[in-house]
Amino acid sequence: DTGVSQDPRHKITKRGQNVTFRCDPISEHNRLYWYRQTLGQGPEFLTYFQNEAQLEKSRLLSDRFSAERPKGSFSTLEIQRTEQGDSAMYLCAGDRGSTEAFFGQGTRLTVV
Amino acid sequence: GESVGLHLPTLSVQEGDNSIINCAYSNSASDYFIWYKQESGKGPQFIIDIRSNMDKRQGQRVTVLLNKTVKHLSLQIAATQPGDSAVYFCAEVYTGRRALTFGSGTRLQVQP
Repeated sequence: DTGVSQDPRHKITKRGQNVTFRCDPISEHNRLYWYRQTLGQGPEFLTYFQNEAQLEKSRLLSDRFSAERPKGSFSTLEIQRTEQGDSAMYLCAGDRGSTEAFFGQGTRLTVV
Repeated sequence: GESVGLHLPTLSVQEGDNSIINCAYSNSASDYFIWYKQESGKGPQFIIDIRSNMDKRQGQRVTVLLNKTVKHLSLQIAATQPGDSAVYFCAEVYTGRRALTFGSGTRLQVQP
């Protein structure tokens, strides 16, 4: 257990619906990352926060995606108007300024 | 662009043997290279990292070798155990960035 928790673990939604995922990092993690992972592939970077500031966003993060980290603690990732191509595992990770990122177990999204 | 890839999708070894997982990278401007282990249903777990100005680093039962001349990275696992069965990813941290760029992974299968 890395101490990073994600909720929900699984989400099935109909195409066109909005979904929101939550990540609770370890309290000492001033940096928080979101990644997306499809079957058989390595995680792909989506976005990164330092405290409450969103410092970098990937080109993968279309305008249907939005992430927040109010107060620099937990973070949410929202996907609006979901598409089948959004089906993936969404991983959250945190670190304390070192290279050792602690990943949560992910939220598996299935868009039907 | 940035890319991190792996030579073999699956590696099968006998319990007790040493394992070597290889990775090729193309970006010369990386600060760190990192190996992660991902078990089924879990997020990636940090194993070991190596700075780009180093050639070798050892941890508990693991050794990472970096050959910058041929842009090659390897992870050696000594006395492989059934609990080592997982997918292994190499990742890099590009200079000036915080995000990890992952390869597609190698599945390690340990035969009893």
